[in-house]
Amino acid sequence: QKEVEQNSGPLSVPEGAIASLNCTYSDRGSQSFFWYRQYSGKSPELIMFIYSNGDKEDGRFTAQLNKASQYVSLLIRDSQPSDSATYLCAVKSLEAGGTSYGKLTFGQGTILTVHP
Amino acid sequence: DAGVIQSPRHEVTEMGQEVTLRCKPISGHNSLFWYRQTMMRGLELLIYFNNNVPIDDSGMPEDRFSAKMPNASFSTLKIQPSEPRDSAVYFCASSLPAPNTEAFFGQGTRLTVV
Repeated sequence: QKEVEQNSGPLSVPEGAIASLNCTYSDRGSQSFFWYRQYSGKSPELIMFIYSNGDKEDGRFTAQLNKASQYVSLLIRDSQPSDSATYLCAVKSLEAGGTSYGKLTFGQGTILTVHP
Repeated sequence: DAGVIQSPRHEVTEMGQEVTLRCKPISGHNSLFWYRQTMMRGLELLIYFNNNVPIDDSGMPEDRFSAKMPNASFSTLKIQPSEPRDSAVYFCASSLPAPNTEAFFGQGTRLTVV
């Protein structure tokens, strides 16, 4: 089982719709969860992170975390063509045998296309 | 701060040659990560360091790969000898080691082994 798994995609939504991106993780001890966006040919950049169960909103973006189900999602409201990119879920977990939450592992990514 | 700086941005080399990728993390960041990205395998964590010490190198594909961090402001990833299947984009990222801090990525090095 992969440490971080994302819905395979690609995902295509019309402009103005809600895009829903999902991610599951295997390490119950994981502490914090990140959503990155990566445009083609560019490096990943952070959209938002979440570490408490529930929802966290930032503009058009909402991250949802359910630690019991080991599930994290990202909702993009009023999707725009400029949101077309690959979305990467990342999980920070305890390093093996350590006490520092340093290891940052990424999922495969989901390609999102927003069409006008 | 200039962010995470990687060099070179592009590297084309012949199979069997040694390749060295370089990274300067953001000043004050204690954690440094090396990732490899391909279409097939996505963004794979190769190795990460805390306070210049390698913590987890379980992602290093084989002995041909090695990484060092001689000081807090510099790290290298070396491939010797290189093979065509090593062709990928290699990213370096740095962060504070606390759980709720993001990793900042460099621009990446696109490696092509012919």
